[in-house]
Amino acid sequence: TQLLEQSPQFLSIQEGENLTVYCNSSSVFSSLQWYRQEPGEGPVLLVTVVTGGEVKKLKRLTFQFGDARKDSSLHITAAQPGDTGLYLCAGDSGNQFYFGTGTSLTVIP
Amino acid sequence: DSGVTQTPKHLITATGQRVTLRCSPRSGDLSVYWYQQSLDQGLQFLIQYYNGEERAKGNILERFSAQQFPDLHSELNLSSLELGDSALYFCASSVTPVRNYGYTFGSGTRLTVV
Repeated sequence: TQLLEQSPQFLSIQEGENLTVYCNSSSVFSSLQWYRQEPGEGPVLLVTVVTGGEVKKLKRLTFQFGDARKDSSLHITAAQPGDTGLYLCAGDSGNQFYFGTGTSLTVIP
Repeated sequence: DSGVTQTPKHLITATGQRVTLRCSPRSGDLSVYWYQQSLDQGLQFLIQYYNGEERAKGNILERFSAQQFPDLHSELNLSSLELGDSALYFCASSVTPVRNYGYTFGSGTRLTVV
């Protein structure tokens, strides 16, 4: 059983389209992080959100932490081929740290 | 380059053998974490060390062990290897022992057990 479920599992879109990736749990998290992982490399931290309802923007990426701190979303505007990768959410709950199931994004030029 | 160095990058070995994976954390980071990533299990936390002491344990098998040395580099020892141990093994580091501020990951060691 995965504590952090991500959806969709796979996403293939055309360059310039917008997309949203979701990270959901039934548990409360003290904070959530988002990582992007490219093939053959380790995950790279994109952002950490710590306050319920918090919204953070990183260029074309917008991250939101749910009010109840049980879920998070990542929205990408005008996706580019360089956004291709595996997106992972991760966080602390009950003194354990979990990674999500991952969303594999492919942006087609 | 993330600053976290893992060696070797690839490793092919036979069942029943023992291997050692090495990790040098980013300069200034005291905490080292080991993760296993496989297609069906995703990223699974194995173990954490902070300044030489074991800090937290995850889903680490008894056949696996790790340590962090005084110079802060860490080694993950995998013994009596099975086919199912084939995976990517990542090391990550952070300044603090607190995990919810984010890690810096290395590029991983791809272990293939044949």
